[in-house]
Amino acid sequence: EAQVTQNPRYLITVTGKKLTVTCSQNMNHEYMSWYRQDPGLGLRQIYYSMNVEVTDKGDVPEGYKVSRKEKRNFPLILESPSPNQTSLYFCASSWTGGETQYFGPGTRLLVL
Amino acid sequence: GENVEQHPSTLSVQEGDSAVIKCTYSDSASNYFPWYKQELGKRPQLIIDIRSNVGEKKDQRIAVTLNKTAKHFSLHITETQPEDSAVYFCAAKGYGQNFVFGPGTRLSVLP
Repeated sequence: EAQVTQNPRYLITVTGKKLTVTCSQNMNHEYMSWYRQDPGLGLRQIYYSMNVEVTDKGDVPEGYKVSRKEKRNFPLILESPSPNQTSLYFCASSWTGGETQYFGPGTRLLVL
Repeated sequence: GENVEQHPSTLSVQEGDSAVIKCTYSDSASNYFPWYKQELGKRPQLIIDIRSNVGEKKDQRIAVTLNKTAKHFSLHITETQPEDSAVYFCAAKGYGQNFVFGPGTRLSVLP
């Protein structure tokens, strides 16, 4: 089954404790992206990747890191999480940047 | 960078009526405009999209129109049904392959 998976789905952590949210797709997509969703603000792009080892900043990259060492995986790293990073995070992938994006199920993060 | 505005923020229509949601964008280099539907507690899903070389696209009860001169695009849903109730997001893809989404429209279809 073609899908985008994210783990964990729910996470409660404390300020400053490094965490990683994984994202994996099995569709051989080149383009992958991370978004955060906050009430009233829609989806805001954090980082995106056009292919392996090619990443670029979206609108809200501060406080986040990404890597793309394999085509199927695109982890999101929060080196020192803060409460303002409490949000719903979605990973998405597509064949290229201009095609249908398939979203993962979302990761709800609470930073205390 | 790109900025996308979306109106209205909430919309209520009677079942069977039409619904129209309008988005404006700022970057004239943007060339791809998707619309996503997000039901409560679920992930966004693409419902229709349009590229900058096309003025209108239709898929059954859903249509999207694009006016490049005015830099706005609209989603049209005809013969609305209760299952159309959801939050709808427009987006624009800039020249740099980044996506900017609008803040969303909560559509309620009243039986």
